[in-house]
Amino acid sequence: AQSVTQLGSHVSVSEGALVLLRCNYSSSVPPYLFWYVQYPNQGLQLLLKYTSAATLVKGINGFEAEFKKSETSFHLTKPSAHMSDAAEYFCAVSTSLDSGGGADGLTFGKGTHLIIQP
Amino acid sequence: EAQVTQNPRYLITVTGKKLTVTCSQNMNHEYMSWYRQDPGLGLRQIYYSMNVEVTDKGDVPEGYKVSRKEKRNFPLILESPSPNQTSLYFCASSRRQGSSYEQYFGPGTRLTVT
Repeated sequence: AQSVTQLGSHVSVSEGALVLLRCNYSSSVPPYLFWYVQYPNQGLQLLLKYTSAATLVKGINGFEAEFKKSETSFHLTKPSAHMSDAAEYFCAVSTSLDSGGGADGLTFGKGTHLIIQP
Repeated sequence: EAQVTQNPRYLITVTGKKLTVTCSQNMNHEYMSWYRQDPGLGLRQIYYSMNVEVTDKGDVPEGYKVSRKEKRNFPLILESPSPNQTSLYFCASSRRQGSSYEQYFGPGTRLTVT
């Protein structure tokens, strides 16, 4: 079984400030981890993913995330927030097919709404 | 253009009136799935399909049916919709990449059941 916890349903930062969105996971086998972004009235877009290669993963739009096994975390960061970053962000976990994980899709967190203050 | 399409994008219906939401992908992906998104709950998987004629339940399958007669299509069927099925629905298709799957999402279908 696997699960994802996103701390904070809403996060507000000033334009130009650091963005930090928190994600903790639970998985009985080595996980694969993803961050998706959803802009208003749109579908989900993949920001970045961790698949057991480098623990620091760089994604699109200046975002990055670091996999920390000891903390079971995969927090999303961006050094300087832009107004265009305002959106809903979802962390998700799946398991490796080769480690016995089921290919039954992603388990999502409940989402964090990122608000950018001018 | 590689994409997942869903129809309709918006639907308002009444309790008990059967409806189908279509999903089609043009990427020749084996794996397809349906999710529903509700405020404060994130996305939850309804059903998934590993290939043609192979489907299985996700986390919230009650009240839904699916079929996979062709590789490109994966319709979601609500035989007797109820108000608690008012939600935003996403279809996704996946290709195997290494030992994981990379999922591509459709634009969503907003369903309201009165």
